[in-house]
Amino acid sequence: NAGVTQTPKFRILKIGQSMTLQCTQDMNHNYMYWYRQDPGMGLKLIYYSVGAGITDKGEVPNGYNVSRSTTEDFPLRLELAAPSQTSVYFCASSYGLGLNTEAFFGQGTRLTVV
Amino acid sequence: AQTVTQSQPEMSVQEAETVTLSCTYDTSENNYYLFWYKQPPSRQMILVIRQEAYKQQNATENRFSVNFQKAAKSFSLKISDSQLGDTAMYFCAFMKPDGLDSNYQLIWGAGTKLIIKP
Repeated sequence: NAGVTQTPKFRILKIGQSMTLQCTQDMNHNYMYWYRQDPGMGLKLIYYSVGAGITDKGEVPNGYNVSRSTTEDFPLRLELAAPSQTSVYFCASSYGLGLNTEAFFGQGTRLTVV
Repeated sequence: AQTVTQSQPEMSVQEAETVTLSCTYDTSENNYYLFWYKQPPSRQMILVIRQEAYKQQNATENRFSVNFQKAAKSFSLKISDSQLGDTAMYFCAFMKPDGLDSNYQLIWGAGTKLIIKP
């Protein structure tokens, strides 16, 4: 009963480095999301996907890219890491909208850019 | 644009007491969804309770209940018989219903840190 799995849990990057945050879900959910959580703040949407092959920008997409080649996987790519991207990142998924609006979250990735 | 405001950055109560966390929101929509999520120190985000705006009856889940006042745009969370395991950050969130401009995103408040003391 894995749910939403994110890797890694922690990562330290140097400015200008690149990395991919992995996210996979085994619930056959159509909708997947990437959020970032800055200290003392709620979550802000980076990118989302409504199904395989379809992605769209959220509120704070700059500096990130995503892909959705399968229903299960939704990786988040940071191309040129900047200190402003130091945050906790959450991947989430949901079956749909309306009565199925519950979002299931991964355990988060704490990223530090130095 | 929709906004969600949680005016209590931190609250602290004794175990077994009742505590109410406040949340207000701003929207021009008539139908929408509201949620309370719990984030314990493990960082896992856990859905506590949800409310659909067209339902007048307040949602309840065991010790958790909401006071939904649609006209006042208020959505408070009441935790009865609080337990040590309730210690966590609590986030209020808003979602517009399905639509071309809904963006399918949750709009989040800044959170309330709740501490249950033994």
